[in-house]
Amino acid sequence: DQQVKQNSPSLSVQEGRISILNCDYTNSMFDYFLWYKKYPAEGPTFLISISSIKDKNEDGRFTVFLNKSAKHLSLHIVPSQPGDSAVYFCAASLDSWGKLQFGAGTQVVVTP
Amino acid sequence: DVKVTQSSRYLVKRTGEKVFLECVQDMDHENMFWYRQDPGLGLRLIYFSYDVKMKEKGDIPEGYSVSREKKERFSLILESASTNQTSMYLCASSSVGFGTSGRNEQFFGPGTRLTVL
Repeated sequence: DQQVKQNSPSLSVQEGRISILNCDYTNSMFDYFLWYKKYPAEGPTFLISISSIKDKNEDGRFTVFLNKSAKHLSLHIVPSQPGDSAVYFCAASLDSWGKLQFGAGTQVVVTP
Repeated sequence: DVKVTQSSRYLVKRTGEKVFLECVQDMDHENMFWYRQDPGLGLRLIYFSYDVKMKEKGDIPEGYSVSREKKERFSLILESASTNQTSMYLCASSSVGFGTSGRNEQFFGPGTRLTVL
């Protein structure tokens, strides 16, 4: 039973516009959330994270928002660039060992 | 430049064969992980290791075993490969404790695409 869900398998956005990726989780014990980005034929790379004690974390063009009451987080990419075209995975952790539960991923395509 | 390497990018095996997938990291990380990635399911944890000779089952350990004889190397073993083990296998490593980004993120290898016929 997947505890982290990304319900949108794909997202198409124009270059320069905002990309919003959504992620829902069911386990209220998760205390740390991460986003990974994956290009074809490469392993996922870490993008941004947020602790459950915060509701927002920003890093350049990337901002993650956490709504604990709704068990929902989102990743905003502003402005979107062609190099952002990739699969984005949401992940959640509930222990200090760093074991992660991943969502199914969202394929983002940024068009010129 | 930090690196996690996996022994093969593509592998084709027959049903019933014993399969070894090797992973090496050069970051002196304590933790190492094996995942499989399948369409619509994301990445699922098979096994992880937090120290040499230590291992813990992940979410889907059935049909797999692991070995960690040296800190830098973590092997995934399919004792008797089956067609439902056809998948992309990803190895990752991380350090313990907290880094500048908070809980230490995992660094992934490029993956091994395994096909079992």
